[in-house]
Amino acid sequence: KAGVTQTPRYLIKTRGQQVTLSCSPISGHRSVSWYQQTPGQGLQFLFEYFSETQRNKGNFPGRFSGRQFSNSRSEMNVSTLELGDSALYLCASSLEFRPYEQYFGPGTRLTVT
Amino acid sequence: QKEVEQNSGPLSVPEGAIASLNCTYSDRVSQSFFWYRQYSGKSPELIMSIYSNGDKEDGRFTAQLNKASQYVSLLIRDSQPSDSATYLCAVKSDFGNEKLTFGTGTRLTIIP
Repeated sequence: KAGVTQTPRYLIKTRGQQVTLSCSPISGHRSVSWYQQTPGQGLQFLFEYFSETQRNKGNFPGRFSGRQFSNSRSEMNVSTLELGDSALYLCASSLEFRPYEQYFGPGTRLTVT
Repeated sequence: QKEVEQNSGPLSVPEGAIASLNCTYSDRVSQSFFWYRQYSGKSPELIMSIYSNGDKEDGRFTAQLNKASQYVSLLIRDSQPSDSATYLCAVKSDFGNEKLTFGTGTRLTIIP
């Protein structure tokens, strides 16, 4: 079974721009969570989607948003990029009845200059 | 106080010895606990989950949970160089905070 895939793997953007990251979960997984990972803060929860609905949200500003499609694929968007948004963005999927046993994708490395 | 605390290490252990990784958490109502392994440049990988007090064994890995002391640990027996990685502890509260909270991880190095 194919794992979680994320595109693009690397991205360089300029401050003030916006970016969209994509995630395809493992087949059969309907829950998708997004995390930001930085050396200083570790893994920080952004949000979780299940059946196209945002089920939980972390403590990030409204510039960070996401959505999930009917095929469980998910996208996250960051508007008005700041230098501090440079990080590894990880998507994780899980089964409905084991939502916290998560399987991570390879991540998207975002650099904001 | 951080919600989930781990010693950042590095923790160096000789090959073949037992590596002991510790994690404490602040939310008393937490019910679900997980250990993830993250190799350098890779994404986290789930290696253990534990939901009740006591020990849970899976191959060379043993997770230990003590809810009274708000403490969860991971033991790796017969440590191998391939166990060198950062180990992340994750905790989920079951009351109103439906998300995983991760510690910042402990970097483990197995010395051949």
